[in-house]
Amino acid sequence: GEDVEQSLFLSVREGDSSVINCTYTDSSSTYLYWYKQEPGAGLQLLTYIFSNMDMKQDQRLTVLLNKKDKHLSLRIADTQTGDSAIYFCAEVAGGTSYGKLTFGQGTILTVHP
Amino acid sequence: GAVVSQHPSRVICKSGTSVKIECRSLDFQATTMFWYRQFPKQSLMLMATSNEGSKATYEQGVEKDKFLINHASLTLSTLTVTSAHPEDSSFYICSASRLANSGNTIYFGEGSWLTVV
Repeated sequence: GEDVEQSLFLSVREGDSSVINCTYTDSSSTYLYWYKQEPGAGLQLLTYIFSNMDMKQDQRLTVLLNKKDKHLSLRIADTQTGDSAIYFCAEVAGGTSYGKLTFGQGTILTVHP
Repeated sequence: GAVVSQHPSRVICKSGTSVKIECRSLDFQATTMFWYRQFPKQSLMLMATSNEGSKATYEQGVEKDKFLINHASLTLSTLTVTSAHPEDSSFYICSASRLANSGNTIYFGEGSWLTVV
């Protein structure tokens, strides 16, 4: 079945870049998503990338996709204290009911002043 | 603004009672919605796929008689936790897929905290 793995913790200084990594196993994944979850809150869609793309940039966010290695990363430029949260990557497996997501464990990003 | 809305955001119920959580797509129709459960400091686990006009599809290990799902309209799915017990206390969150020119995006509701006492 599908499996998505993330590193559990990342700590950066304010103003630095953050890079959150994710690996997945399903080569038929169509879309890959990044969500942000603040304490006690729901999931906020940050960005997503279609599987035929290598990179997607959206303001401070850059998503890189390496399909060969099944590796996805999210880079946050000029990280701010408000970016502290849990970040989840998730995939939609090909051939399944669209919208059914498999999540990674989540990466806790801590931004120090 | 919110694209998918859940209600209530927090609910406390007594053990043995039932509680209903609503999930609405606000400005689009969703023939399929999804219900997830998240325990503290853990990831989200899919519970079931809610299908408009037909029975929900449950993931392995999820009791269909305990977690009743109804998707009676294209904008509303409900999850009813029946005969709730303290171990059902969790964060329940729904999602819906929205098709746009830029692609398919999956939005989540704000989540519902259930505490069973």
